[in-house]
Parts: sequence; C-alpha cells; structure tokens
Amino acid sequence: DADVTQTPRNRITKTGKRIMLECSQTKGHDRMYWYRQDPGLGLRLIYYSFDVKDINKGEISDGYSVSRQAQAKFSLSLESAIPNQTALYFCATSDSRLPYTDTQYFGPGTRLTVL
Amino acid sequence: EDKVVQSPLSLVVHEGDTVTLNCSYEVTNFRSLLWYKQEKKAPTFLFMLTSSGIEKKSGRLSSILDKKELSSILNITATQTGDSAIYLCAVPGYAGNMLTFGGGTRLMVKP
Repeated sequence: DADVTQTPRNRITKTGKRIMLECSQTKGHDRMYWYRQDPGLGLRLIYYSFDVKDINKGEISDGYSVSRQAQAKFSLSLESAIPNQTALYFCATSDSRLPYTDTQYFGPGTRLTVL
Repeated sequence: EDKVVQSPLSLVVHEGDTVTLNCSYEVTNFRSLLWYKQEKKAPTFLFMLTSSGIEKKSGRLSSILDKKELSSILNITATQTGDSAIYLCAVPGYAGNMLTFGGGTRLMVKP
C-alpha cells in the first residue's frame, strides 16, 4: 500500500462549488504539506502543518483552507472554487525526528478541474 | 525571498547521451538541496545534498553541490527512455522545512 494517499485522484467541478481534497499517510510523519503544480511554475506551497495543532500558510494560501484532523490526515478545502484553481494538487509528508528532516514524500496527486 | 531557478527548461536527447541539468538557488541559511524526479504524477526523491555531503551518486545519476556558485548539477549518463521525466530541484526555507521548488527541467530521451 502507498504510504501517502490522496482522494479523489481526479475531480471536475463548477465555479463556486466547495471542494475538499483529502490526504492520509501511514508513514508516521508529523509534518504534512499541500502543494499545487501548474505548468511551468513548478510546485508551490499552499499550507503546511508541523503537528496537529500547528497550521501555517504557505506561498499561495488565498482561496484555500486546511484541517489537520489527526497526525495522519490533512485536508485541503476550496470554499468557493474558481477556474484558476485548476491544477494538480500534491500532499507531502516529512519527519522532523530524522537527522536530515528536509526530505518530503509525496502522494500521487489530485487533478482538479474547475469549469 | 527564496528562489530556485532550473535550466534548461526542456531537453531532448537520444538514448546513450549524457545530460547535465542545472539548478541555482538563493536562500537564507542554506541547509540542503534536493533533487526529485517526476514521471507521471508524484515527484520521487532522488538526492539530498548538504554542506557535508556535496556529491551523491546512484547508478547512472550523480549530483554535485557548488556552495560557492550557489548551484547544483544533476548528471545522467547513458540515458535511457525511462529517464524521461521532469526533474525538480528544491531547497528548504529558513522556517521549518518548507521547500521552494524550481520550475523543473523536462527531459525527453528518444530511442
């Protein structure tokens, strides 16, 4: 089984709809991240969480919110989706207890299309 | 603001060729630089380079960190079609280990 899973894998929705993307991990990592990827722009950080009670905005948090329901679960919500939120979304995890904590492990991604 | 720039944007080679991908960075309090390979979906981790580990090698892939030039290269020798992917370079920021990614280099290896 995959260590980092994301649901759904693909989603098409309409402008104004509320969407939730979910991420679960079995790696036991304490840190979790949400990124979006757009062609030519690489990966950009939306939100990150260093533990269940610690949530921080990333580079492009406007229009998004998150919830860390448990150490293993980190959800990303689009309260009112708009077309320029069409992108590939990745969840990632890392472990602060490792000697070098910078390595992040990515989920398979969710392709979101907002019409 | 942390910044990572990769070049070239894309590259087309034939099997057996050797390629060099470049990554330059500007970051406060450099700790490490990471290389990822992204094929169809999720990036997969390749290497992490630090001040104490400036050169890494795995099979046909190798990477070197040049702290003086604030850059890194990723070399792939004897390329194969399976090497076709987007290669991403990233550096963690000062606050925690948020990663700033470069835009990636798209490599296509033709038979």
